[in-house]
Amino acid sequence: GDSVTQMEGPVTLSEEAFLTINCTYTATGYPSLFWYVQYPGEGLQLLLKATKADDKGSNKGFEATYRKETTSFHLEKGSVQVSDSAVYFCALSSSGGYQKVTFGTGTKLQVIP
Amino acid sequence: DTEVTQTPKHLVMGMTNKKSLKCEQHMGHRAMYWYKQKAKKPPELMFVYSYEKLSINESVPSRFSPECPNSSLLNLHLHALQPEDSALYLCASSQEGGLPEPQHFGDGTRLSIL
Repeated sequence: GDSVTQMEGPVTLSEEAFLTINCTYTATGYPSLFWYVQYPGEGLQLLLKATKADDKGSNKGFEATYRKETTSFHLEKGSVQVSDSAVYFCALSSSGGYQKVTFGTGTKLQVIP
Repeated sequence: DTEVTQTPKHLVMGMTNKKSLKCEQHMGHRAMYWYKQKAKKPPELMFVYSYEKLSINESVPSRFSPECPNSSLLNLHLHALQPEDSALYLCASSQEGGLPEPQHFGDGTRLSIL
């Protein structure tokens, strides 16, 4: 079945540091890939997505590229801010219509001033 | 601001109580979902409704009873819950189409069972 593996957290960075959160996946077919972010006390928000190989999703300074050859979708940001402190979930979905999403375990990011 | 609205935000109930969680969206999405999320874990799918019909039940205990009265509303009726059911309950919705579409989540109801 489908699976998503994320790097273990928590990740602690100083403000303006470079961020990478690794994500690899196993799936049948050609899944769509997502990064969701969950701020404390809130639900999940879509951060970015990619629907086919070599697509780059980007939003709010975050980027991730769909790499089919390495089955990866690593999240990067060049300069993190304290407000980026949250839990980040990598996810995939292989089906259209109503869908089952496979989530990674989540990576907590803490950015210190 | 989230486009999926859940009420109440917090709920404390005893094991013999009956309560309901409510979810509403006005984005025209025809797929709606209930998830359960425990602390420091990803969301776990409970139910999926597609065009107001139950399409997926992930072997959820019968003390949880979903209902989809119309295309904008989703309820989760709770009865005789156990302490281990304490969690954040998230509602989500999505477009239905050929490609997987991202799900839009509400902020959840934090449920505590005494």
